[in-house]
Amino acid sequence: KAGVTQTPRYLIKTRGQQVTLSCSPISGHRSVSWYQQTPGQGLQFLFEYFSETQRNKGNFPGRFSGRQFSNSRSEMNVSTLELGDSALYLCASSLAPSGGSNTEAFFGQGTRLTVV
Amino acid sequence: AQRVTQPEKLLSVFKGAPVELKCNYSYSGSPELFWYVQYSRQRLQLLLRHISRESIKGFTADLNKGETSFHLKKPFAQEEDSAMYYCALSSSNTGKLIFGQGTTLQVKP
Repeated sequence: KAGVTQTPRYLIKTRGQQVTLSCSPISGHRSVSWYQQTPGQGLQFLFEYFSETQRNKGNFPGRFSGRQFSNSRSEMNVSTLELGDSALYLCASSLAPSGGSNTEAFFGQGTRLTVV
Repeated sequence: AQRVTQPEKLLSVFKGAPVELKCNYSYSGSPELFWYVQYSRQRLQLLLRHISRESIKGFTADLNKGETSFHLKKPFAQEEDSAMYYCALSSSNTGKLIFGQGTTLQVKP
């Protein structure tokens, strides 16, 4: 079956703009998590959605938001982009929410966001 | 605070040598520990998890609650093991994965 799909793969934006990233989970997976990966900070948790509800949120400013649709697809939005938002944004899906059984996370290829 | 520490940014060994990638964690409670691997130009993927107690690609990891460690070991490294390895912790409280900074394993011929 198809893996986790993230679009677009690459994105260049200007400071102050906003951006929306998309994630299509593996068919049947209802939990979607987002992570930011940078050379300096490594992999940091952004948020997790299950059944269209945000279950957990990491320590990121309110400019970072997300949502999940009824088909489990998820979008992440970053408003008022800053240079420091340049990163690889990873999406992961799992059958069940983290913390329970069947929680193996399958990752997408990521969206490389560059803010100039 | 919940934290995962991987002290080595880079580990370089020769083919056939034993490998140990270190991981220490800080968590009050019963965490679930994982090792993820990212090969060049491939997506991050699960290598193994402590609850399954299995050996994947010759790698094993034992959870030592006394030392709060979850080191990844392989007796004989192969060149194809060269990759970035991440140790991660999942807590039932928050449900998120907390990753270490990662260790690049370089296996030389």
